[in-house]
Amino acid sequence: DAGVIQSPRHEVTEMGQEVTLRCKPISGHDYLFWYRQTMMRGLELLIYFNNNVPIDDSGMPEDRFSAKMPNASFSTLKIQPSEPRDSAVYFCASSLGAYNEQFFGPGTRLTVL
Amino acid sequence: AQTVTQSQPEMSVQEAETVTLSCTYDTSESDYYLFWYKQPPSRQMILVIRQEAYKQQNATENRFSVNFQKAAKSFSLKISDSQLGDAAMYFCAYRSAFSYGGSQGNLIFGKGTKLSVKP
Repeated sequence: DAGVIQSPRHEVTEMGQEVTLRCKPISGHDYLFWYRQTMMRGLELLIYFNNNVPIDDSGMPEDRFSAKMPNASFSTLKIQPSEPRDSAVYFCASSLGAYNEQFFGPGTRLTVL
Repeated sequence: AQTVTQSQPEMSVQEAETVTLSCTYDTSESDYYLFWYKQPPSRQMILVIRQEAYKQQNATENRFSVNFQKAAKSFSLKISDSQLGDAAMYFCAYRSAFSYGGSQGNLIFGKGTKLSVKP
């Protein structure tokens, strides 16, 4: 099993540009979570999906952030336009059922200049 | 809303010694799950140990054990026989056992404790 796959691992972009982060969950998992990690705020849940349907997006900071899950094997987190304060590590995690272990991807380190 | 507090930003331990990392949480719920995650420099989040609130017995995984005190809302992690590979950030996390208002399944993390292991 390849685990949760995220791409890219590192992204450097300029303010105002669109950024798309990608995630492939573990096959068969029905929950997918997007987290953001910063020094100031720690790890925060942004949004999560159940069977490809967004369940709770209350953690999405602004309308500049959007997430989709077009099928069970792929999800994207998009920031448009990006700002320097969006610089963080973004994690994707998946689980089989809401109450089982969440397996995390390696994260994407985003730097917005 | 639930909160998780880790009061020790940094800890240090000598190799082969024992260290305890502290975690307290605040909740009005009676049933929930608690976790310790390890994040080494590679950034990968790794589950170390899990505790169900309805279980009185403290969870143990090899050299890792917890001291779960439900009334005090305390959940500390003890690492015995510390190894150089234990050096990492450690995060305590809470998850509700109930599903309401879209909160099903999501983890609430503390700010973390950076553990250094001295050879």
